[in-house]
Amino acid sequence: EAQVTQNPRYLITVTGKKLTVTCSQNMNHEYMSWYRQDPGLGLRQIYYSMNVEVTDKGDVPEGYKVSRKEKRNFPLILESPSPNQTSLYFCASRDRDGANVLTFGAGSRLTVL
Amino acid sequence: DAKTTQPNSMESNEEEPVHLPCNHSTISGTDYIHWYRQLPSQGPEYVIHGLTSNVNNRMASLAIAEDRKSSTLILHRATLRDAAVYYCILRDVWGGADGLTFGKGTHLIIQP
Repeated sequence: EAQVTQNPRYLITVTGKKLTVTCSQNMNHEYMSWYRQDPGLGLRQIYYSMNVEVTDKGDVPEGYKVSRKEKRNFPLILESPSPNQTSLYFCASRDRDGANVLTFGAGSRLTVL
Repeated sequence: DAKTTQPNSMESNEEEPVHLPCNHSTISGTDYIHWYRQLPSQGPEYVIHGLTSNVNNRMASLAIAEDRKSSTLILHRATLRDAAVYYCILRDVWGGADGLTFGKGTHLIIQP
């Protein structure tokens, strides 16, 4: 089944403890991205990657890092999480085409205490 | 990307058609109209997209006004599983790097 897989789905952590949210897609998509969703603010893009070794900042990149060493994986790294990064995170991917149809993962709910 | 305007919420009855409107008066000639939906506790899910002509797929139909300044997502026979937030989004066909910009969408409530 074509899908985007995120892990963990739920995580509670403490301020300053580094964490990584993994994202993997099995559709051979070139483009991958990370979004966060907060009440009243909708979905906002954090980082995106057009291809392997190519990453760019989205609308809200502060406090996050990403890497794209392989086509299928696009991990989101929080080096020193803070409570304002408590949110619902979504990874998405799409193929190279003009229609820009995204496939989303199921989400990772992160709480930073 | 050009802006879209949708009602905050709509209510409909099960097994009846639902028409979800979207206004996009500043749409450009190369903007695709996309619809996604987000069911409770799930990630957004692609529904349908179109450029100029009306489109149909297994999930829904998309009716695009002749001047393209508005569109309507049509669910022909709503079920309780269609209760979700529906997002209308414009995306330039030549746009490259960035993703889709999601607004607040329309919260669709289905009454049994």
